[in-house]
Amino acid sequence: AQKVTQAQTEISVVEKEDVTLDCVYETRDTTYYLFWYKQPPSGELVFLIRRNSFDEQNEISGRYSWNFQKSTSSFNFTITASQVVDSAVYFCALSGASWGKFQFGAGTQVVVTP
Amino acid sequence: GAGVSQSPSNKVTEKGKDVELRCDPISGHTALYWYRQSLGQGLEFLIYFQGNSAPDKSGLPSDRFSAERTGGSVSTLTIQRTQQEDSAVYLCASSLRRDTGELFFGEGSRLTVL
Repeated sequence: AQKVTQAQTEISVVEKEDVTLDCVYETRDTTYYLFWYKQPPSGELVFLIRRNSFDEQNEISGRYSWNFQKSTSSFNFTITASQVVDSAVYFCALSGASWGKFQFGAGTQVVVTP
Repeated sequence: GAGVSQSPSNKVTEKGKDVELRCDPISGHTALYWYRQSLGQGLEFLIYFQGNSAPDKSGLPSDRFSAERTGGSVSTLTIQRTQQEDSAVYLCASSLRRDTGELFFGEGSRLTVL
């Protein structure tokens, strides 16, 4: 069975602070894919990143960075110098070798105040 | 339109009635997904269509739920004899190919069962 755990329900920060969102996953598949999605107040989920299980290289995209560690089954997401527009719910998701059935975590609400 | 279109955006119904939710995916996208998001919860997988292959229905919570995809495009999710626990936002997503994780989500259909 696959499982994604986002232990942080809500994180509140002041603008310009960094914020790290934790994601821990469980899967028996040797090949799998990890994702982060953003759900702003408008409600529509937006794809942020996909990472393959065989690619542990960390990635940076602007103020966003991701740390994938197979040894600890974690795929953490950091927003550097947060902005009010970053306020949203962020979901971590997993897809195993049997593609299509994405397992989403419960989400982490990020609140950035000016 | 350019994005995934869902209708109705809001549906209020009485317990025991049937409802139909429609999803119009992005043109050319071969994969289509239905998820359910209950208040404060993560996304729950319902069903996945890929081209002409048999759909993965493993997430449908009961036999009151069914979905079809006609002509490889528009999909309809049907809930028969609705119950109050069916109240949720039903999200549809599509992706260009089977193996890409970039799901494009619609804005969802909010279902309220009284």
